[in-house]
Amino acid sequence: AQSVTQLDSQVPVFEEAPVELRCNYSSSVSVYLFWYVQYPNQGLQLLLKYLSGSTLVKGINGFEAEFNKSQTSFHLRKPSVHISDTAEYFCAVSYILTGGGNKLTFGTGTQLKVEL
Amino acid sequence: EAGVTQFPSHSVIEKGQTVTLRCDPISGHDNLYWYRRVMGKEIKFLLHFVKESKQDESGMPNNRFLAERTGGTYSTLKVQPAELEDSGVYFCASSHRAGAFNEQFFGPGTRLTVL
Repeated sequence: AQSVTQLDSQVPVFEEAPVELRCNYSSSVSVYLFWYVQYPNQGLQLLLKYLSGSTLVKGINGFEAEFNKSQTSFHLRKPSVHISDTAEYFCAVSYILTGGGNKLTFGTGTQLKVEL
Repeated sequence: EAGVTQFPSHSVIEKGQTVTLRCDPISGHDNLYWYRRVMGKEIKFLLHFVKESKQDESGMPNNRFLAERTGGTYSTLKVQPAELEDSGVYFCASSHRAGAFNEQFFGPGTRLTVL
């Protein structure tokens, strides 16, 4: 069974400071990893994804994540955050269902609050 | 291109009543998914449609929940009768292809409150 752990439920940070949101996963098969962001009153938006290849993945809005197979982690980072980055961030693992579809298994989310 | 839309955005009902949630996927997306987030916990998979067929409904909580996708376009999720523990945010997502590496596009969700 696959699971995703986001240990930090809330992360406060000052504007222009760096941030890292942690994500660890467990899976017995090959994984595809995603980070989604939910801004207030909006749906989930894909930030970035790891499918294969380079372990450093760059996404939108200056975010990046590094896939570490030995540590089963996929932490999200941004070198300098902006007030507009205030949102909830979800790490997710994807795997194939028996019918050929796929479902996402999400972590509990991390609320990033950027302060002046 | 219009995104995934969901209706209503909020619904407040009393225990025992019936509620129907609607999802309109992105045009041309054969794959449609329902997810639910209860009380700030993780977002959990409910079921997956390919066109009008249910591919997997392993995440449906119980038989009070009924999902349909007649004609393979929009989908409805009915809760009958609603219980207090059904409160949460119901998300719909769609994708063009099914596959573990394909992006799912999410709607804004329907916040359901059962009193």
